[in-house]
Amino acid sequence: QQQVKQSPQSLIVQKGGISIINCAYENTAFDYFPWYQQFPGKGPALLIAIRPDVSEKKEGRFTISFNKSAKQFSLHIMDSQPGDSATYFCAASSINNQGGKLIFGQGTELSVKP
Amino acid sequence: ETGVTQTPRHLVMGMTNKKSLKCEQHLGHNAMYWYKQSAKKPLELMFVYNFKEQTENNSVPSRFSPECPNSSHLFLHLHTLQPEDSALYLCASSQDTSGIYEQYFGPGTRLTVT
Repeated sequence: QQQVKQSPQSLIVQKGGISIINCAYENTAFDYFPWYQQFPGKGPALLIAIRPDVSEKKEGRFTISFNKSAKQFSLHIMDSQPGDSATYFCAASSINNQGGKLIFGQGTELSVKP
Repeated sequence: ETGVTQTPRHLVMGMTNKKSLKCEQHLGHNAMYWYKQSAKKPLELMFVYNFKEQTENNSVPSRFSPECPNSSHLFLHLHTLQPEDSALYLCASSQDTSGIYEQYFGPGTRLTVT
């Protein structure tokens, strides 16, 4: 119940296309859902995050869509660029029950072709 | 960069060696974390320290021994490791563990156990 399942494992998108990465969770106590971006040789960095009181959050070309009833959330990257090529991790935590403990998905390697 | 530094960046050690990983954060945070990152697997939380006190030990084998002398420094002491311990070890910090605080990651130490 603590797992966060992420798909696909890898994704190839043409420049200008839309990249979509999906995550699903079981624990209904989760109430914070961040996405982290990791470039080779670097540690993960927070990209965007959402709380379950909203169904969508947009920051520039990056959008999180959240479906509370389905216990799913996804990252959409609009107008994907080669510089977006990285590994993306979704995560979830239960602020009240677990403090800052994040449960991460398996990661998605995104490659954006020029 | 992220304000979290890790040394060494690469480490090769034999199964009978003893070595230590070092992490330092320059962000004024009070919580620090050790994660293990293996290929195609989610980031695995190993240890959490909040205000120098260990608050989480995620069933980590005793051959990994953390030390947090102050809120800015975190060590991971390694001894008699196994080849399956080869991975990227990431350190992270956050304001504390009580809320929705972004975790800032260091670049990691790539550990190879021979």
